[in-house]
Amino acid sequence: GNSVTQMEGPVTLSEEAFLTINCTYTATGYPSLFWYVQYPGEGLQLLLKATKADDKGSNKGFEATYRKETTSFHLEKGSVQVSDSAVYFCALRGAQKLVFGQGTRLTINP
Amino acid sequence: EPEVTQTPSHQVTQMGQEVILRCVPISNHLYFYWYRQILGQKVEFLVSFYNNEISEKSEIFDDQFSVERPDGSNFTLKIRSTKLEDSAMYFCASSLRQAYSNTEAFFGQGTRLTVV
Repeated sequence: GNSVTQMEGPVTLSEEAFLTINCTYTATGYPSLFWYVQYPGEGLQLLLKATKADDKGSNKGFEATYRKETTSFHLEKGSVQVSDSAVYFCALRGAQKLVFGQGTRLTINP
Repeated sequence: EPEVTQTPSHQVTQMGQEVILRCVPISNHLYFYWYRQILGQKVEFLVSFYNNEISEKSEIFDDQFSVERPDGSNFTLKIRSTKLEDSAMYFCASSLRQAYSNTEAFFGQGTRLTVV
């Protein structure tokens, strides 16, 4: 079945550091790929998405590229801020349902 | 901007009691979902609903659970006899179209269910 694997957390960085959160997937067919973010005390918000191979999703300085050859969708940001502290979930969508990774808790220190 | 709304935001119930979690999906959406997140764990799919019937459900969604769209706007999740392990954040989501298209699921803010 479909599955998503994210890098283990938690991740702690200093402000303005470069961020990478790794995500790889296993899927049949041609899934869409997503990153969701959960800020403290809030629900899930879509951060970015990509629907086909080589697409790059971007939002709020975050980027991720749909790499079919490596079955990956790594999240990157060039310069993180304290306000980026949250839990980040990689997800894929095949037949109707979203399948989530385990989440990566990111803490940014000033 | 249209959004998915869930009520209540937090519910505390005694073990064995029935609870109903309510959701109002985005008005023109056709596909509806419930997910849950036990504290500190991954978000898990429970059920999807389309055209007034369940289209897919996970092994978590046993006979204790049911979903309903009673009036064309609300989408409810009922847990008949709650157990301690049902304590979790429950997320409702909706989408306009099915998968394999340029669409996305929009999530509500969640209902935190605490079973004591």
